Amino acid sequence: AQSVSQHNHHVILSEAASLELGCNYSYGGTVNLFWYVQYPGQHLQLLLKYFSGDPLVKGIKGFEAEFIKSKFSFNLRKPSVQWSDTAEYFCAVSRYGNKLVFGAGTILRVKS
Amino acid sequence: DAMVIQNPRYQVTQFGKPVTLSCSQTLNHNVMYWYQQKSSQAPKLLFHYYDKDFNNEADTPDNFQSRRPNTSFCFLDIRSPGLGDAAMYLCATSRANGAPEAFFGQGTRLTVV
Repeated sequence: AQSVSQHNHHVILSEAASLELGCNYSYGGTVNLFWYVQYPGQHLQLLLKYFSGDPLVKGIKGFEAEFIKSKFSFNLRKPSVQWSDTAEYFCAVSRYGNKLVFGAGTILRVKS
Repeated sequence: DAMVIQNPRYQVTQFGKPVTLSCSQTLNHNVMYWYQQKSSQAPKLLFHYYDKDFNNEADTPDNFQSRRPNTSFCFLDIRSPGLGDAAMYLCATSRANGAPEAFFGQGTRLTVV
């Protein structure tokens, strides 16, 4: 079945550690790719997006993601996490029109 | 300056008693979506409106209905809630053209007792 897969459901890191969250999708053809973040008690917010062009995209709060078409991947990275990055992170893909399909999410806890 | 507003934030309803969740937007976006998110799962699209055109997902139960009386408002009606319908319900909007990123409300957490 066509889907979006996030490799880790829970990640625990210490402050200043580097972060990489994996995301793979199974759709062929042209896709739009997103990472959303949900801080505790808040709504889903767009972290970054890829539509076309440079496959390395930079988002808010020092996050970046790299689209690797051959691997159907869109991994999220941050060189040095902060306690305030504790949140749930969702990868999402849209193909036709505007419908987003989400991965199951990764809960990140950053220890201070 | 909230852009997508969902009411209420928390809703408790009785088994089988109809319930309506509401969503409003100030973005003037053409497209409005309803997602269901259960604990530790991905948000699942139930249906969406493209302007007045209603688009139901194939696996959305008939128990779930929606209304969009105007651009700004969209409602989710659950005709006979079951225990399995307890979840977070997310409303989102996006523009029809250009960047299809979605803007989300804070969600309504539905409890069925």
